Amino acid sequence: DIQMTQSPSSLSASVGDRVTITCRASQGISNDLAWFQQKPGKVPNLLIYAASTLQSGVPSRFSGSGSGTDFTLTISSLQPEDVATYYCQKYNSAPHTFGQGTKLEIK
Amino acid sequence: EVQLVESGGGLAQPGRSLRLSCSASGFTFGDYAIGWLRQAPGKGLEWVGFIRIKAYGGTTEYAASVKGRFTISRDDSKSIAYVQMNSLKTEDTGVYYCSRGWASGRDPHYDYWGQGTLVTVSS
Repeated sequence: DIQMTQSPSSLSASVGDRVTITCRASQGISNDLAWFQQKPGKVPNLLIYAASTLQSGVPSRFSGSGSGTDFTLTISSLQPEDVATYYCQKYNSAPHTFGQGTKLEIK
Repeated sequence: EVQLVESGGGLAQPGRSLRLSCSASGFTFGDYAIGWLRQAPGKGLEWVGFIRIKAYGGTTEYAASVKGRFTISRDDSKSIAYVQMNSLKTEDTGVYYCSRGWASGRDPHYDYWGQGTLVTVSS
């Protein structure tokens, strides 16, 4: 099975910073990758699908890029409400594995 | 408004069974895959499995950790999906989410999620 590895596992940044989270697949998955945001105690929320398509209603400061094995989620200007754990997920074929998560905090 | 509501969670002993339901509204149920995902206490997200739409045979896929024990089904006439969980193990404990799967091909991404239902497996 294809493994999904996120880095870093945790991240602390200041309001207004540009933040980048990476996700690496152990084999190529084309662009069949989604990013989710999960705030503490809440249901996961889809941010990005097809590696770079912004889900409706998601703020434009979020963007995704990549194809094949290497992907990034970027927050262009970190806001206090972005404190959350972020997950990538592959869905090119089963199993639809998640990355282990990146916990983002405000410095 | 898209809504997904899970039910059927609770406490079960190891080796016993539970059936979770996912009741959907606000969209044409039969046009979407339905996925099940879970999250153990304090842990990350884990994909459990999904069921395709009838146009793709209504076939199912499962994570290795549940294959042979869990069965996902759907009733498009009632807009309900199910996961039958047999031979439960303590490691099956967690919040179970159902989600709508949007697919341009055979496999979907998961765009809307329910609020989740807690399953606790303990003696």
